[in-house]
Parts: sequence; C-alpha cells; structure tokens
Amino acid sequence: TQLLEQSPQFLSIQEGENLTVYCNSSSVFSSLQWYRQEPGEGPVLLVTVVTGGEVKKLKRLTFQFGDARKDSSLHITAAQPGDTGLYLCAGEGYNQGGKLIFGQGTELSVKP
Amino acid sequence: NAGVTQTPKFRILKIGQSMTLQCTQDMNHNYMYWYRQDPGMGLKLIYYSVGAGITDKGEVPNGYNVSRSTTEDFPLRLELAAPSQTSVYFCASSYSTRQYSNQPQHFGDGTRLSIL
Repeated sequence: TQLLEQSPQFLSIQEGENLTVYCNSSSVFSSLQWYRQEPGEGPVLLVTVVTGGEVKKLKRLTFQFGDARKDSSLHITAAQPGDTGLYLCAGEGYNQGGKLIFGQGTELSVKP
Repeated sequence: NAGVTQTPKFRILKIGQSMTLQCTQDMNHNYMYWYRQDPGMGLKLIYYSVGAGITDKGEVPNGYNVSRSTTEDFPLRLELAAPSQTSVYFCASSYSTRQYSNQPQHFGDGTRLSIL
C-alpha cells in the first residue's frame, strides 16, 4: 500500500516568515500534485511535478520533486495571511491512472 | 462554469437510515471519484469510476455503493448509516487514462454528513 507522510500537520507562523512543508514516501510516484483547500470548499490544484528533481515556482511558493520521485516539498517565502489554509500533497502511482494517494494535510495559519 | 456540483451541502441522519449523495460534473471528464475527509486524515478514496457503467472500489468502500449510468453523474449511496460514516464527502472528476494522467482532479465543495 502506497502511503504519503506529510509534515508538519499543523503550522502557525507570523506574517513574513518562511516555511517548508514536506511530503515523504517509500514508494515511487509518476507525479505529485499539491492542492490547497479553504474551509467549506474542495481542494484546488496548485501545481503538478512530474520529473525527478523538478522545481516549480508559483509566485512565493516553490515546489520540488525529489530526485528519486519519492518525496516533495513546498516552500513558502514571506508568508501572508492569505496563504492560510490546508495544503495537501497527492501522489499518482505508475499504472494507477487518475488515482491519487493523499497525504494527511498541513493546516497552515499565518497571523498578521 | 459549474464544474463539479454536490448536493446536499449538509445532512444529519439517524443511525440506520439511508441516503444518496449526488454528484454531477459538466466538464465531460471520464474519471470520477468519491472521497471522505476526516480531521488529520487527508482524503481517503471510497469508490471511483473510469467511465459510464464502470466502477471500482477504493481504499475505504465498506458501507457505501455507487453507480455511473451517465458520464455526468456519480451518486454515492449510504445504506444503514453508522456513526463512523460521519465525515465530509467530496466528489471529484478528471480526464485520465489507465496508464497515468498527471491531470488535476476537480473537486466539488463537499457534503457534510453527521450521523447521530
């Protein structure tokens, strides 16, 4: 059974601080997606990383896929209150077309 | 742009009752999914469908049933509701293939279900 361990589970920081969220597995994934979820809504895709070692940037958010395709990280620079939400990583296994394995999520709170 | 629409948004059931959670998508996606989300547990796949007439179990299918008679609709049925089924249920859709997709899943806003 493929598992994704996401850490930390909770993170409360001040506006302007930097943070990193980690997503780790012993399994290899064909791709890894990061979603953000706000209260009362469904998750919304932020980014998909496909190639081992790939780095993608989305404004102040930097996503990295590990060289071995078993782990990923999300780094936020100068966090803002608008970044508050639940961040979820999700991996797609080989020949598991469309099916995702989700991590437990990281609840981020950015205080002004 | 409706996307994925789930109804109802909230529901309270008594133990032993049954109900159907509705899900419809207007993006002509072939794959559809049902997840449940419990605090600190991420999203767990209940059932999924790769196309009309085809459904398969996910990680936590016990106590649930699904059907997919059309591309657009993917209802989830709870028979004999139990307190352990108290959760937030999300329906999602994507355009995927058997091999891999790298395509995003599009989620509805969820149904919050309490069983007392």
